[in-house]
Amino acid sequence: AQSVTQLDSHVSVSEGTPVLLRCNYSSSYSPSLFWYVQHPNKGLQLLLKYTSAATLVKGINGFEAEFKKSETSFHLTKPSAHMSDAAEYFCVVSPSNFINFGNEKLTFGTGTRLTIIP
Amino acid sequence: EADIYQTPRYLVIGTGKKITLECSQTMGHDKMYWYQQDPGMELHLIHYSYGVNSTEKGDLSSESTVSRIRTEHFPLTLESARPSHTSQYLCASSTRGQVYGYTFGSGTRLTVV
Repeated sequence: AQSVTQLDSHVSVSEGTPVLLRCNYSSSYSPSLFWYVQHPNKGLQLLLKYTSAATLVKGINGFEAEFKKSETSFHLTKPSAHMSDAAEYFCVVSPSNFINFGNEKLTFGTGTRLTIIP
Repeated sequence: EADIYQTPRYLVIGTGKKITLECSQTMGHDKMYWYQQDPGMELHLIHYSYGVNSTEKGDLSSESTVSRIRTEHFPLTLESARPSHTSQYLCASSTRGQVYGYTFGSGTRLTVV
């Protein structure tokens, strides 16, 4: 079984300050982890992914996330928020190999709405 | 309790066959989507619809086609399946009043042999 918990449903930060969106996961298997962003009336866009390579993953638009197995966390960060970062962010866990694929489905977190204060 | 249903859950089919993957939702959502996902990999949007008689191609080129004749139904068709089509196909829906968030179906795991 697998699950994802996004610890904050809503985060507000001032423009130019750091962003931290928290995600904890559980998985019976070695997982792949993703962060997606959704802007209003748009489809999901992949920000970054962890697939058992480097634990610090860099994504688009200055975002990065660190996979910490001991803490079962995959928090998303950005050093300096921009107004265009305002959106909904989803943390996602997925089985990483075919053997488990049929028994586990893609699991989304409930989302974190990021608001940027001018 | 699922409000969006995909059938079949698993499908193994021979090369060259025509297949239709079904997706239905009971929530009255106007927007529907098809994503393709390989194990451990990210989602790729292949088709979407903003309402009846509206269909658009997504970010990933796909040989599949879709139709949206009714609000609740968004089937995906492959005219001639090939092994390269082996993947998981996920259907999702959202509503104009729900700016954030999707409801996903459980997916169809397609294997073409």
